[in-house]
Amino acid sequence: SAVISQKPSRDICQRGTSLTIQCQVDSQVTMMFWYRQQPGQSLTLIATANQGSEATYESGFVIDKFPISRPNLTFSTLTVSNMSPEDSSIYLCSVSDHKGGYTFGSGTRLTVV
Amino acid sequence: AQSVTQLGSHVSVSEGALVLLRCNYSSSVPPYLFWYVQYPNQGLQLLLKYTTGATLVKGINGFEAEFKKSETSFHLTKPSAHMSDAAEYFCAVTPTSGTYKYIFGTGTRLKVLA
Repeated sequence: SAVISQKPSRDICQRGTSLTIQCQVDSQVTMMFWYRQQPGQSLTLIATANQGSEATYESGFVIDKFPISRPNLTFSTLTVSNMSPEDSSIYLCSVSDHKGGYTFGSGTRLTVV
Repeated sequence: AQSVTQLGSHVSVSEGALVLLRCNYSSSVPPYLFWYVQYPNQGLQLLLKYTTGATLVKGINGFEAEFKKSETSFHLTKPSAHMSDAAEYFCAVTPTSGTYKYIFGTGTRLKVLA
């Protein structure tokens, strides 16, 4: 299975600022996925990032708020823009393990104050 | 539309006791089914999955789950709980049509009592 390195592991940010989360995979993957896990809740898919094309966002998520970059087949970033306390969550990236499941990064725990 | 229901947001068991975490799904056709574990401050780790074939699936760390189509269930069990099993467990489904989209349950936090 792929190994995912996600940075930062945690951060405390001021409201109104932006944070960029990085996800590095040790192998080339076609699709990378970004999830949000709000406190006490399950994971929700934010968007799917394909290399060379714009990300596909799920209902309730927009590019202006969560811009995503996918410059190559091993790397992606998710930016949480103009943050508010409601954005306090764990953000995870994920890739297919090619065995019917998915591998997740260790997550970025974001607190907005 | 598909959905996943995990009964019990918190489950406590004594060390050595049976672990049973419940998961029911709603789907017009049987989906692929997964259990993931999330240890504190870590990402999700795949415990086991059912796609096709044998309905009793064995995973890592002594866990297993049985797909019961008639009950639309995929409950996770372990015969004897260990302190290291304390974590949050998520059931998830994804359609068999090839889409990658997971639908996650709300999770069950397992506490193991000494």
